Amino acid sequence: GESVGLHLPTLSVQEGDNSIINCAYSNSASDYFIWYKQESGKGPQFIIDIRSNMDKRQGQRVTVLLNKTVKHLSLQIAATQPGDSAVYFCAETYSGGYQKVTFGIGTKLQVIP
Amino acid sequence: EPEVTQTPSHQVTQMGQEVILRCVPISNHLYFYWYRQILGQKVEFLVSFYNNEISEKSEIFDDQFSVERPDGSNFTLKIRSTKLEDSAMYFCASSLRTSGSSYNEQFFGPGTRLTVL
Repeated sequence: GESVGLHLPTLSVQEGDNSIINCAYSNSASDYFIWYKQESGKGPQFIIDIRSNMDKRQGQRVTVLLNKTVKHLSLQIAATQPGDSAVYFCAETYSGGYQKVTFGIGTKLQVIP
Repeated sequence: EPEVTQTPSHQVTQMGQEVILRCVPISNHLYFYWYRQILGQKVEFLVSFYNNEISEKSEIFDDQFSVERPDGSNFTLKIRSTKLEDSAMYFCASSLRTSGSSYNEQFFGPGTRLTVL
């Protein structure tokens, strides 16, 4: 069936460097793509989302890029900090309806001090 | 800042027993959800609930599962006869509303770790 998945299970970066986490999706009907951060022992925390009619959206230190041609989503974190260490999930949902969120397999980001 | 709360944080039960996981969604939210996450795996949708009815459920949400909003603040997930494979983190989430053309952020609780022995 259609699903959302990630390329890399673990990513290690030096503190201060930029991080890029990638995701491939296959459901072309999704309206929104979302990045969640999950710290140990906590629930997923919304970071940023992007609508399917956009290709880039920026937040505070984070940027999400959407390439619908190749069905690819990425999360860029600028100046990665130790507090960014967590598991990051890409996810998809749709507008209207009851908006269940379909999660991909997470990527663990390890920030090296 | 308002948040979703869940109790207990950890529930240990024997196989075949019934468990009830409790959630208090954000007070003005109207849509409620349960998700689960088996250790090391992705978060999986179980069910969504609106206006005292299930609005959507996944294949995981079989007859052993039920949800209820018994009062104006709680939202519960019941598993009637637990199996070993029900061991997972269970997350409750809520959102303010949905509309035809936009997405409303779901806020997740901290989860309840269910261990079935």
